[in-house]
Amino acid sequence: NAGVMQNPRHLVRRRGQEARLRCSPMKGHSHVYWYRQLPEEGLKFMVYLQKENIIDESGMPKERFSAEFPKEGPSILRIQQVVRGDSAAYFCASWTGTDTGELFFGEGSRLTVL
Amino acid sequence: ILNVEQSPQSLHVQEGDSTNFTCSFPSSNFYALHWYRWETAKSPEALFVMTLNGDEKKKGRISATLNTKEGYSYLYIKGSQPEDSATYLCAFPSSGGFKTIFGAGTRLFVKA
Repeated sequence: NAGVMQNPRHLVRRRGQEARLRCSPMKGHSHVYWYRQLPEEGLKFMVYLQKENIIDESGMPKERFSAEFPKEGPSILRIQQVVRGDSAAYFCASWTGTDTGELFFGEGSRLTVL
Repeated sequence: ILNVEQSPQSLHVQEGDSTNFTCSFPSSNFYALHWYRWETAKSPEALFVMTLNGDEKKKGRISATLNTKEGYSYLYIKGSQPEDSATYLCAFPSSGGFKTIFGAGTRLFVKA
């Protein structure tokens, strides 16, 4: 009964490279959130996806960031041409979409941009 | 713009002290209010999901109350223990739960 799985747990990239973060939701969950945690800050909403659809991406920077949740496979948060300010922990959470909305979190992916 | 505010930002207490902190949220279009516990180097875990005005929920020494009309919830910890040290987050699912916004959290330190 696996929980939400995120990988990689740690990722180091140089400025200008691409970062791909993956999230496999809990079994039976078809809704995924991505949050970013900057140092000394809380969880900032980035994007909410349902299988094959982006429902709300109002928290996502307009450039360089994209997210997808294909029919098969994990949800992917993609950051192109990373900059030092992208260094943060990125958390994925999933829920069933049919109950009171309790989220189940992965352990996060920590991105460091050199 | 939805705003979920938590106070205090951090709290230092002695073992055995009781403590409480606050979450305030928009009182219109209420759907639910969540409390999560987030230990360092782990992932947040749900403590309570509260949906009705006047709700009071309890789990061991931790309890929470909800006032949807005035837009606040309190989390109480009775007889704090060092293992209670964590960040306590409240979260407000808006639009039927489709966009869950988190407060910045209250960081609790319990000294033995």
